[in-house]
Amino acid sequence: NAGVTQTPKFRILKIGQSMTLQCAQDMNHNYMYWYRQDPGMGLKLIYYSVGAGITDKGEVPNGYNVSRSTTEDFPLRLELAAPSQTSVYFCASSYGTADTFFGQGTRLTVV
Amino acid sequence: KQEVTQIPAALSVPEGENLVLNCSFTDSAIYNLQWFRQDPGKGLTSLLLIQSSQREQTSGRLNASLDKSSGRSTLYIAASQPGDSATYLCATFSGNTPLVFGKGTRLSVIA
Repeated sequence: NAGVTQTPKFRILKIGQSMTLQCAQDMNHNYMYWYRQDPGMGLKLIYYSVGAGITDKGEVPNGYNVSRSTTEDFPLRLELAAPSQTSVYFCASSYGTADTFFGQGTRLTVV
Repeated sequence: KQEVTQIPAALSVPEGENLVLNCSFTDSAIYNLQWFRQDPGKGLTSLLLIQSSQREQTSGRLNASLDKSSGRSTLYIAASQPGDSATYLCATFSGNTPLVFGKGTRLSVIA
């Protein structure tokens, strides 16, 4: 039981490049989330999903896209990377409003 | 819109001291409140989850209380140890909004 697995752990992107952050969970959780964490700013919700085929915007969705084709996977797509997207990205999952489990994060730098 | 505030932002205490971390939230219509621990460069680890119908939860030296009517929660750490040094975050799940986080309290326990 691996929990929530994120890949890659680190990545450097050039301005204008695109990439996908991968997230997978093996706990059969229906809810999955993407947060970003900036120094001193806490965690901000980017997108979330309450089940396969259903996604919704969070507080800071601009510049990102998601899809949820399976229960297990919830990839986050960055299109046309900008320096403002330099951050640590966390994927998380839960079964409804029960305990939420987080991945170890992806540290992204856009230069 | 739910807003979560944590006071103090940072706290330094000598080993063995009992301490209290505070969390307040503006929307009392919550499903639950969760306390997390985050070590530097790591993901978030769930410490305690209090459902809206509960008043407190305990795990070892940790005790979390919830007062929905006043929009407050406290995390009590007994007999603090250097290994307790970390950032502690609280978050609420309310309505259709997944976990909204405070900015955290950075705790240092000095041996």
